[in-house]
Amino acid sequence: DAKTTQPPSMDCAEGRAANLPCNHSTISGNEYVYWYRQIHSQGPQYIIHGLKNNETNEMASLIITEDRKSSTLILPHATLRDTAVYYCIVRSSSGTYKYIFGTGTRLKVLA
Amino acid sequence: DTAVSQTPKYLVTQMGNDKSIKCEQNLGHDTMYWYKQDSKKFLKIMFSYNNKELIINETVPNRFSPKSPDKAHLNLHINSLELGDSAVYFCASSQASSVNIQYFGAGTRLSVL
Repeated sequence: DAKTTQPPSMDCAEGRAANLPCNHSTISGNEYVYWYRQIHSQGPQYIIHGLKNNETNEMASLIITEDRKSSTLILPHATLRDTAVYYCIVRSSSGTYKYIFGTGTRLKVLA
Repeated sequence: DTAVSQTPKYLVTQMGNDKSIKCEQNLGHDTMYWYKQDSKKFLKIMFSYNNKELIINETVPNRFSPKSPDKAHLNLHINSLELGDSAVYFCASSQASSVNIQYFGAGTRLSVL
């Protein structure tokens, strides 16, 4: 499974969009991109996933570049409750089921 | 009606003891996992079972033994606990598929004294 690189930390003003980048330059064609977050040592929470196309759900949007080497998670209107560590994970659709978690991005939403 | 539930939430014990952590999921999933998150917050997979069959077994000491009595349960038994076993243990479940979204429990914080 491809390795991901994320900035260690980011700040975002409450009410503004939070854009969290992820680099996965070695991604292959059958690998999905997943985003999870972990709020203060709770269990990781699924946010969104994508393969090639941009995706949107009630929590966030996922923008994947055309070459698929990077992606951005967008929280459109960040709230204080979005303060968490965000993990970008790449996993092959035909590989094992295990996730390899990196160090993630610690997002702090400021009042 | 928690989807993935773990018990206990906290576990404090002495070195050398044997302890178990239980996990149950009511999502109807066929695959379950155990992850360990150490003090540096690295989250690593330990085991995975699919339909009660072990499919992932990372480099984990033999003192750790998972048991899956049925698809909805995956328990973790730890023998001869050591200081280094202190961590938060997360259970997760998913439906085996190409997408395989995993849902995590709230974690069990194990402290070995």
